[in-house]
Amino acid sequence: GDSVTQMEGPVTLSEEACLTINCTYTATGYPSLFWYVQYPGEGLQLLLKATKADDKGSNKGFEATYRKETTSFHLEKGSVQVSDSAVYFCALSGSNSGYALNFGKGTSLLVTP
Amino acid sequence: AAGVIQSPRHLIKEKRETATLKCYPIPRHDTVYWYQQGPGQDPQFLISFYEKMQSDKGSIPDRFSAQQFSDYHSELNMSSLELGDSALYFCASSLGADTQYFGPGTRLTVL
Repeated sequence: GDSVTQMEGPVTLSEEACLTINCTYTATGYPSLFWYVQYPGEGLQLLLKATKADDKGSNKGFEATYRKETTSFHLEKGSVQVSDSAVYFCALSGSNSGYALNFGKGTSLLVTP
Repeated sequence: AAGVIQSPRHLIKEKRETATLKCYPIPRHDTVYWYQQGPGQDPQFLISFYEKMQSDKGSIPDRFSAQQFSDYHSELNMSSLELGDSALYFCASSLGADTQYFGPGTRLTVL
């Protein structure tokens, strides 16, 4: 079945450092790919998405490119802020799963001043 | 913009009791999904509805049931609660198969 694998955390970075969180997927067909962010004690917020190969999603300085050849959707940000501290979930959605989201295990990010 | 509303936000129950969680989707959204997130875990899909009909089923226990009503709100009914049911329960809504937007969640604690 469809699945998502993302790098284990926690990841600790200093403010203004570069961020990459790796995400790879296994799916039949052509899923849509998402990054959701969960701040402490809060719900899941959509960060960005891409619906087809070579699409780049971007929001709030974060970006990720849908790479079909490497089945990847890595999350990147050039300069992180303390306020970016949260748990980041990579997810996919496709017709095989009735469009329910299939999440990775989540990566906890802590940014220190 | 209006968001997904879930109630209650917190719920404490004893073992073997029942609980009902409610979800009010974003206006004009016709699809509702329920997810369960255990402590330190990723959200797991439970069940979904499209146009008031069940559209897909995930890892939902037989003790749980859900429905979507004519006004598109949804309720998740949980019976014979167990300690392991303690979790965050999220509802998400979408327009058809489009992007899902999540509510703030209901934190259920079973004692």
